[in-house]
Amino acid sequence: EAGVAQSPRYKIIEKRQSVAFWCNPISGHATLYWYQQILGQGPKLLIQFQNNGVVDDSQLPKDRFSAERLKGVDSTLKIQPAKLEDSAVYLCASSLDGMSGNTIYFGEGSWLTVV
Amino acid sequence: AQSVTQPDIHITVSEGASLELRCNYSYGATPYLFWYVQSPGQGLQLLLKYFSGDTLVQGIKGFEAEFKRSQSSFNLRKPSVHWSDAAEYFCAVGANPPHAGKSTFGDGTTLTVKP
Repeated sequence: EAGVAQSPRYKIIEKRQSVAFWCNPISGHATLYWYQQILGQGPKLLIQFQNNGVVDDSQLPKDRFSAERLKGVDSTLKIQPAKLEDSAVYLCASSLDGMSGNTIYFGEGSWLTVV
Repeated sequence: AQSVTQPDIHITVSEGASLELRCNYSYGATPYLFWYVQSPGQGLQLLLKYFSGDTLVQGIKGFEAEFKRSQSSFNLRKPSVHWSDAAEYFCAVGANPPHAGKSTFGDGTTLTVKP
């Protein structure tokens, strides 16, 4: 079974530029998550989708971050304009239906460095 | 608000020795508790989870964890560590569904295994 796919794996941009990350969840998984993991910290949930609807985006900095999940499958996370403090690993994850009994599977992450 | 504390930032053990990683949580209701492992450059992998029932939970790779409500702890253990166990370990407490993905993670414990 294919896992959660993310791209690009690594990205270096200058502050005030924009960047987009793509995620393809495990086939059949209705729930998709984007996490931000700053070096030395645990992951923090940015946004959770159930199919193509947003369940929780309370921790998403909406002035610069946006995410969409068209057709309830792939998802894109965009940052515009980027700040130095956005340097982090962006982890995409998916689960069967978002209920607590279902395992959340993580991708390998997209590493962002803002200079 | 829920929170997780992993008191040990870094632990070093000899191969074959036993391991215990500490996790303390704060949560108002019955918690959903998780342990994840993250190898360098990789995403997180679920080791085990606790929702209810038996307080001693068995996971993958020979790991187990014990939920102690009186101590608000969910410590991870392994009787004999292998060199391949060197990684970062995260404890997390999850919210009730459908917000199960909004787990609060600790800042992790880095495990080094000496030959």
